[in-house]
Amino acid sequence: DTEVTQTPKHLVMGMTNKKSLKCEQHMGHRAMYWYKQKAKKPPELMFVYSYEKLSINESVPSRFSPECPNSSLLNLHLHALQPEDSALYLCASRGTLRNTEAFFGQGTRLTVV
Amino acid sequence: DAKTTQPTSMDCAEGRAANLPCNHSTISGNEYVYWYRQIHSQGPQYIIHGLKNNETNEMASLIITEDRKSSTLILPHATLRDTAVYYCIVRTPNFGNEKLTFGTGTRLTIIP
Repeated sequence: DTEVTQTPKHLVMGMTNKKSLKCEQHMGHRAMYWYKQKAKKPPELMFVYSYEKLSINESVPSRFSPECPNSSLLNLHLHALQPEDSALYLCASRGTLRNTEAFFGQGTRLTVV
Repeated sequence: DAKTTQPTSMDCAEGRAANLPCNHSTISGNEYVYWYRQIHSQGPQYIIHGLKNNETNEMASLIITEDRKSSTLILPHATLRDTAVYYCIVRTPNFGNEKLTFGTGTRLTIIP
């Protein structure tokens, strides 16, 4: 199984809503990443988890709250988002061996209204 | 992680070899060159990576110059399904705090 599964695929939420994005992998990878991608732009790194601990936060606003409850699961909790937060949110994972590549999920297309 | 520079866009005729260049002049000795591609609205897909030597797999070949300051990804017989944005990324092999930072990429269009 070389898949990173993201749910939901599409999400529409209001600015006062609270929602969560979910990412799951069963490859035994111990590094997991959240990226945000706006249209026609490259993915921008948001957070990195290493061995279930947050190792990198790229100065992301607190309305985005990551969580890594176990080695297979990564969540991104969303609260009080703005319309400009509408984007494709990508999750990735990587194994601990040297030189291994990262696997990406297909993303969650988020629209904030 | 070192910065990379790629052309914004390229066209290639179907069936011909597509050669995508990448400049990484500030690469460090232990940093690897990785290539990913992203087909419209999908997640990035790993293609190939290398350190010093040229590499080949079922998808592509990677040619790295001797001074390691640039590389070329070669898709030997491009098909319409190879139309995508191709990203060249340089990163350390270490596990933990590496960022896997994407540059602007090259939008490759395969022309029938």
